[in-house]
Formats: sequence, structure tokens, C-alpha cells
Amino acid sequence: KAGVTQTPRYLIKTRGQQVTLSCSPISGHRSVSWYQQTPGQGLQFLFEYFSETQRNKGNFPGRFSGRQFSNSRSEMNVSTLELGDSALYLCASMSTSGDNEQFFGPGTRLTVL
Amino acid sequence: AQSVTQLGSHVSVSEGALVLLRCNYSSSVPPYLFWYVQYPNQGLQLLLKYTSAATLVKGINGFEAEFKKSETSFHLTKPSAHMSDAAEYFCAVSDMGDAGNMLTFGGGTRLMVKP
Repeated sequence: KAGVTQTPRYLIKTRGQQVTLSCSPISGHRSVSWYQQTPGQGLQFLFEYFSETQRNKGNFPGRFSGRQFSNSRSEMNVSTLELGDSALYLCASMSTSGDNEQFFGPGTRLTVL
Repeated sequence: AQSVTQLGSHVSVSEGALVLLRCNYSSSVPPYLFWYVQYPNQGLQLLLKYTSAATLVKGINGFEAEFKKSETSFHLTKPSAHMSDAAEYFCAVSDMGDAGNMLTFGGGTRLMVKP
């Protein structure tokens, strides 16, 4: 079974631009979560989508948004990029087996110049 | 609100020595607990998980962890360190509730293994 895939793996943007990251979950998984990892703040939860609905949201500004499609693929968007948005963005998918095990993708490394 | 504390942002051991990485959590409801490992430029890989079935949990690569409710701890151990164990390790907690799934992570512990 293929794992979680994220595209692109690396991205360089400039301040003020916007960016869209993509995540394809493991086949059959309907829950997709996004996390931001930075050296200063560590791993922080952004949001979770389940069956195309946002089910949980972390404490991030409205510039961070996401969506999920009917095939469970998810995208997250960051508008008006700031230098502090430079981070590794991790996507995780989860089955509905009830043990809350999340499977992580390799991440997208975003650099904002 | 849940929180996770990992004591020691850096731990150094000699090859063959015991590995002990500490994790304490706080949760108002029965938790799920996880240990993940991250190698450079990679995502997170699950080492093991506690889901209330057994307090001593065995994971991959010889790692195990013991859930101690009275101490609110979930420390990770391995009897004998290998060079390949050098990586960053994260402890995480999530609710057993139905209101979505959110992992709260500790700050991470970077394990260094000396030859």
C-alpha cells in the first residue's frame, strides 16, 4: 500500500506571495491532518479534515487554510507569506480503525525569502 | 488542554548502552500516546503507540515504552543503542474522544550515539 505523498518536496517563495501544498493520503484513509514544524516552535497542529469537512483547527492565523476533496486528497494554502512561515509542513493521514494512528508524509520544505 | 514534556532536548549515549528518553504528559481524558522518530529530511515514523490495551508497549527497532498513569509518564527505552538510532524522537498525545484527531507533540529529543 502506498504511503502518504506530498508535493512539492521543496518550495522557495518570496514574502507576500501565496503557496499551495498538496497531500495524498493512504488509500482508504479519510482523515488528513497538517502540521507545521519549525526549529523554534516545534511541531504544531494546523488543521484536520475528515470527509471534506474541517474537523479541528489549530491556533494559526486565517492566512492558513485548507480543503479536502472527495477522493480525500488535501491541499493547504498560505497567503501573504511571511518569513516566519518558513518551515517543514507535514501531512498525516489516519484510518478510522479507532486507535488514532497517524501516518506521516515526507513533508514539504517551504522557504520564504 | 493536553501537553507533553520531553526532558532533555539532547541525549548522548555510547553504542551498546541503554537508551532512555523521557516523556511526561498531561491530559484531562484517557490518552492515546505515541513515540515517533524523525531522520534528517524525512517525515515522522511511528515507533510505538499506547491505546490502553497494555501498559508495556513494544515497538519497532527494539524500542519499548511503559505507560505509568500515576506518574503521567511514557518513557521510551532500548536496551542497546545502535549507530542507526541517531535521530530525533518525539512523544505525542491525543484524545481518545470523537471530536477529531489532533496530536500534541513534545519538543523532541535528539539522540546521539557515540561509537
